[in-house]
Amino acid sequence: EAGVTQFPSHSVIEKGQTVTLRCDPISGHDNLYWYRRVMGKEIKFLLHFVKESKQDESGMPNNRFLAERTGGTYSTLKVQPAELEDSGVYFCASSQARTSKPREQYFGPGTRLTVT
Amino acid sequence: AQTVTQSQPEMSVQEAETVTLSCTYDTSESDYYLFWYKQPPSRQMILVIRQEAYKQQNATENRFSVNFQKAAKSFSLKISDSQLGDAAMYFCAYRSNNSGYSTLTFGKGTMLLVSP
Repeated sequence: EAGVTQFPSHSVIEKGQTVTLRCDPISGHDNLYWYRRVMGKEIKFLLHFVKESKQDESGMPNNRFLAERTGGTYSTLKVQPAELEDSGVYFCASSQARTSKPREQYFGPGTRLTVT
Repeated sequence: AQTVTQSQPEMSVQEAETVTLSCTYDTSESDYYLFWYKQPPSRQMILVIRQEAYKQQNATENRFSVNFQKAAKSFSLKISDSQLGDAAMYFCAYRSNNSGYSTLTFGKGTMLLVSP
C-alpha cells in the first residue's frame, strides 16, 4: 500500500510569488490534514478535510492560504502571495473514516518551502 | 487549549544504552491520546507508540516504552538498547478523544543523536 505522498519535496520561491503544494493521501482515507512546522517551533495544525469538505480550517494563518480537495482525493495548498514567514515544512497526513479507531494519522514526508 | 512541551531540544545516547525523552502536556480533558512520532532525516514521520489516557498501563512497543503519569501530565519515552537507526527527531503529540475529528497538537521536538 502506498503511503502519503507530497509534491514537491522542496520549493524555493521569491516573496510575492505563488506556490502550490500537493498531497496524495492513502487510498480510501477520508480524512486529510495539513500541518506546518516553522523552523524551531511546533508542528501546527492548518486544516482538516473530510472527503472534499473542510471540517476545520481554524489553523489557516490568513487568506493568502487556500486549500482544496478535489473529489475527496488529493489536496492542494496554495500560498498566494508568499511571504517570508511562510517558510517552513508543510506536512500532510491522512486517516481512515471516523468509524475506525483510533484513527491513526499517517504522515507524508513533507514539503520544505523556502521563501526568499 | 491543549499544549505540549518538550524541554529537550537535543539528546545524545550511545549505542546499546538507554535514553529517556521528556514530554509534558496541559489539558482540562480526561479522555485523550498521547503519541510519540519519529521523523528520521529527510523521511516521513512515523508513529512510534500510542497511549490512551484511560489506560493506566504504560504502552510498550519492543524497545520503546512510555512512562505515563496522568496526574502529573507527563509522558516520557524510553528507548532501550539504542540503535543507530533510532537517530531522528522525536515529536510528542496530544489528541483529544472528545470530538469526532480531532487534530494533533505537537511539541517542538527532540533531536536524538546516537553515537557508535
